[in-house]
Amino acid sequence: KAGVTQTPRYLIKTRGQQVTLSCSPISGHRSVSWYQQTPGQGLQFLFEYFSETQRNKGNFPGRFSGRQFSNSRSEMNVSTLELGDSALYLCASSHRGGSEKLFFGSGTQLSVL
Amino acid sequence: TQLLEQSPQFLSIQEGENLTVYCNSSSVFSSLQWYRQEPGEGPVLLVTVVTGGEVKKLKRLTFQFGDARKDSSLHITAAQPGDTGLYLCAGAVVAGNMLTFGGGTRLMVKP
Repeated sequence: KAGVTQTPRYLIKTRGQQVTLSCSPISGHRSVSWYQQTPGQGLQFLFEYFSETQRNKGNFPGRFSGRQFSNSRSEMNVSTLELGDSALYLCASSHRGGSEKLFFGSGTQLSVL
Repeated sequence: TQLLEQSPQFLSIQEGENLTVYCNSSSVFSSLQWYRQEPGEGPVLLVTVVTGGEVKKLKRLTFQFGDARKDSSLHITAAQPGDTGLYLCAGAVVAGNMLTFGGGTRLMVKP
């Protein structure tokens, strides 16, 4: 059974640009959640999608958005990038979401210059 | 202020030593999970504890959930270099709610 796949693995952008990250969950998992990980703030919850609907949202500005497709694949978008957006973005999938066991991808390392 | 406070933040020990990592909160959690993250990878679940006072053992790792379900600990016996990584606790105050992660404990085990 394939794990959670995130693409791309690394990304370098400049301030003001936008970026789209992709996540393919484990087959059969309907919940996809996104986290931002930085050395200073640790793992912070961005949002969760379940059956194409955003079910939970963390405390991040509106520049961060996401969506989920009918095949459960998810994308997150960050517009007008800032230096502080440099981080490891992790996607996790689970059957039902919430506080259930999470299966994480290897992440996308985003550097904003 | 993090909902879940982990201590210590960093730990560097020699192979064969024992260690304990703590995860504390002022909130009661319906369940608590421990993950380990290795460099360049996402976190991997080690264990879930749900009952106050529960103790779970995973080979050389022992996990304990406090009686009041506000704290947890991870004890590693005879640490090995392969135990090196970032240990994260995560909990949900209400069952079904999203997990909140602690700040992590970065463990280095030197041969």
